[in-house]
Amino acid sequence: GENVEQHPSTLSVQEGDSAVIKCTYSDSASNYFPWYKQELGKRPQLIIDIRSNVGEKKDQRIAVTLNKTAKHFSLHITETQPEDSAVYFCAAPVYSSASKIIFGSGTRLSIRP
Amino acid sequence: GAVVSQHPSRVICKSGTSVKIECRSLDFQATTMFWYRQFPKQSLMLMATSNEGSKATYEQGVEKDKFLINHASLTLSTLTVTSAHPEDSSFYICSAKSGPASDTQYFGPGTRLTVL
Repeated sequence: GENVEQHPSTLSVQEGDSAVIKCTYSDSASNYFPWYKQELGKRPQLIIDIRSNVGEKKDQRIAVTLNKTAKHFSLHITETQPEDSAVYFCAAPVYSSASKIIFGSGTRLSIRP
Repeated sequence: GAVVSQHPSRVICKSGTSVKIECRSLDFQATTMFWYRQFPKQSLMLMATSNEGSKATYEQGVEKDKFLINHASLTLSTLTVTSAHPEDSSFYICSAKSGPASDTQYFGPGTRLTVL
């Protein structure tokens, strides 16, 4: 069925180090892969997205890579800072019935000072 | 641009009452809106997809008679939680897309519902 799996569920890294979060999806028709950052009690904020016609996209310290063959995509945060601490969600569209987005289970990222 | 508002931001109600939550796209026309529910420390679970002028499409396991969705205009969708019970207490978030060809979803700030 429709599914987006996300790993790890929690991640703790030293400030300045890199963080990587991985997701896999099941719908081979998916062609848009957003990543959201959610702080406690607030709405998810789109931080980066990638479409299936490219394999990598970068925006300052954030990058996303996509492997359509393997159906997985990853979020990379370099030079992590305390304000990067939040919950991150990957998502992928599902086109089987209606155009909707399914979210991964989330990764709680903690940056250690 | 692409701002979505949600009202109220938080509501406390007694068990058995109904609560209406509004989701508005402020600077664009949203042909499709989505309603999510998020329990503490969990992911966003899609409840239903709402298309302007038509009936909402509910996800499996979501009771359409309990969670009434109306999308009467291109800028407003409402979610009514009928006969609310404590287990309905959650964070409800809406999102909107500007059109069928658009993939990007813009999220509202969420509504914290507490049922006593």
